[in-house]
Amino acid sequence: QSVLTQPPSVSGAPGQSVIISCTGSSSNLGAGHDVKWYQQLPGTAPKLLFYGNINRPSGVPDRFSGSKSGTSASLAITGLQAADEADYYCQSYDNRLAIWVFGGGTKLTVL
Amino acid sequence: QVQLVQSGAEVKKPGASVKVSCKASGYTFTDSYMHWVRQAPGQGPEWMGWISPISGATNYAPNFQGRVTMTRDTSITTAYLEVNRLTSDDTAVYYCAREIRPGSCQADDWGQGTLVTVSS
Repeated sequence: QSVLTQPPSVSGAPGQSVIISCTGSSSNLGAGHDVKWYQQLPGTAPKLLFYGNINRPSGVPDRFSGSKSGTSASLAITGLQAADEADYYCQSYDNRLAIWVFGGGTKLTVL
Repeated sequence: QVQLVQSGAEVKKPGASVKVSCKASGYTFTDSYMHWVRQAPGQGPEWMGWISPISGATNYAPNFQGRVTMTRDTSITTAYLEVNRLTSDDTAVYYCAREIRPGSCQADDWGQGTLVTVSS
């Protein structure tokens, strides 16, 4: 059972948009710790996609955007492409556990 | 460019130990914390802890305290993770990951992963 909760799967057609949610608690997202998002393509290591709630590393297209409010965060992907098919994980820090915490992951399928 | 290159896959018996290496290049090794994260089959990542390459200080997740040791050799810019008393629950891909700004709590760059299989 992951500390951060994500939907197991989302899907969308090419060109459409999807939103992936991440729900935490008062000891992580609700305590003011920001959320990071990682993209993991099949058979590869995770890659940092988003950090500081709203920032993208260089090279990440602006089709990806993030937000956070209270104990929840979300990742939005617009203009879906086949190359976006991957697992997406949210991550933050938990005060009570004193560890980095991850979500269980959301598998994005581009129909 | 930044590269984190890990050692190859391992197969171990229950009760044994495993040591995974992570060779860093493309940046100043002592400037960034190195974290270890593992991912069991079909599961999300699980954070194990970090080591400060410049000081050797470590911080282990409570779940791994007493069973995990993180070390480094600055002369060859390599970090190591050793896990003792392996069980089948330790079967996972183990990743090293660089945190550019200590305290940012994010893994900016990742190694390719090392599969550790624990089986009798």
